[in-house]
Amino acid sequence: GQQLNQSPQSMFIQEGEDVSMNCTSSSIFNTWLWYKQDPGEGPVLLIALYKAGELTSNGRLTAQFGITRKDSFLNISASIPSDVGIYFCAGHPGGSEKLVFGKGTKLTVNP
Amino acid sequence: ETGVTQTPRHLVMGMTNKKSLKCEQHLGHNAMYWYKQSAKKPLELMFVYNFKEQTENNSVPSRFSPECPNSSHLFLHLHTLQPEDSALYLCASSQASRTGGQPQHFGDGTRLSIL
Repeated sequence: GQQLNQSPQSMFIQEGEDVSMNCTSSSIFNTWLWYKQDPGEGPVLLIALYKAGELTSNGRLTAQFGITRKDSFLNISASIPSDVGIYFCAGHPGGSEKLVFGKGTKLTVNP
Repeated sequence: ETGVTQTPRHLVMGMTNKKSLKCEQHLGHNAMYWYKQSAKKPLELMFVYNFKEQTENNSVPSRFSPECPNSSHLFLHLHTLQPEDSALYLCASSQASRTGGQPQHFGDGTRLSIL
């Protein structure tokens, strides 16, 4: 089945630094979604992308839908301690309702 | 408050017990999903319901039995589970679409431990 390769697996950064993570696939996806999951909670939708080349921001977060439709990245600027958590990319391949998830990037922010 | 409520939040059960997980969504969506989240694995889709009809069963063992009485409620009935079934079970909902691609909104999950 389709798989998403998400990297890096984990990041340890200092407060105030910028962060970048990405997701790639060997097949085309029609949507890309980025979620954040805090301990003991479910994933929360951060950004949804629907068109190739689309660049969307949500506060300090910016995500882009790759022009090849096979990748996406998420940037976090000026990180703060509450950015700690696991970030998941997800996508809908070929008009399917089935959402495919990456394995997540665990972010640790040191004050 | 995510709009998707799951109960119970934690459940410990023996392998011979029968229990049910409940999910309720207040978002007006018409598609609902069950996922299993295990450590160091991607989220695994278990079941999909569109307009109360099951449209996906992702090769899930029969000891997991879903039920969707209406578009707002989803249950997962559990019986004779195995230790490897211990995981976080997440419910999600979305607006169903013929072309797909609608974002899914998740509940906070039920942490299930099998003794």
